[in-house]
Amino acid sequence: DGGITQSPKYLFRKEGQNVTLSCEQNLNHDAMYWYRQDPGQGLRLIYYSQIVNDFQKGDIAEGYSVSREKKESFPLTVTSAQKNPTAFYLCASSIQTQGAQPQHFGDGTRLSIL
Amino acid sequence: GQQVMQIPQYQHVQEGEDFTTYCNSSTTLSNIQWYKQRPGGHPVFLIQLVKSGEVKKQKRLTFQFGEAKKNSSLHITATQTTDVGTYFCAGPQTSYDKVIFGPGTSLSVIP
Repeated sequence: DGGITQSPKYLFRKEGQNVTLSCEQNLNHDAMYWYRQDPGQGLRLIYYSQIVNDFQKGDIAEGYSVSREKKESFPLTVTSAQKNPTAFYLCASSIQTQGAQPQHFGDGTRLSIL
Repeated sequence: GQQVMQIPQYQHVQEGEDFTTYCNSSTTLSNIQWYKQRPGGHPVFLIQLVKSGEVKKQKRLTFQFGEAKKNSSLHITATQTTDVGTYFCAGPQTSYDKVIFGPGTSLSVIP
C-alpha cells in the first residue's frame, strides 16, 4: 500500500532539546514538504525538497532543519532555537514541484512541550 | 508576496443546507487545488482546476475556477454530516512555484 508514514504520532519535547520527526514515502515522489499547522490555522511551509541532497527554506524555517539523503526520507529536526514548537506537523509529497502537482499528506505528528 | 485568502473562516449550516467557500489570490494562479481536512486528520486532495472558467463536479461538490484565474469557489449542495471539516484551497503563481495554501474554511453541519 503506497503512502506517507510519519512517526511518532505524538512527541513531547523538553526545554533545550532537539527532536526529530520522521517522514517516509514509498510513492516514488521527487518532491517532499514539511508544514506546520497551529490550532484553527492553515498550513505554513517550513521546508521543501525537490530532489535528493537539495532542499529550500519555506516561510517559517527558523528553528528547524531538514535533510534529504534518500528519495524516500525527509526528516525534520525541531531545534531548541524554535521557542514555540507546539503544533501539528504534516509531511507531504508530490510527483514533483514543477506543475504544482497534488500533494499527498501523512497522518501528522503532534509535538508538545513538557 | 503571493497571498491566498478564503472566506468565510467558519460556517455553521443545518444539515441539508447548501454551503459555499470562496478562495481569492493576490496574483494569477496557474492552477488551483482543493483539499479537505477532517477534524483530527490530515488534508486530503479533492481536485485540481487548470483552465480559466473551469467547472468540475464531484457528486454534491461543485468547484469553479474564475475567468481571471485569481479566484475559485467550492459549493456543496445539501450538506451532510460527513462534509464536516476544513476546506483549503491552494495554488502556485506559476507552474514552477511551490503551492501556497489558503487559511481554510471550517464547516460545521448541525444534524
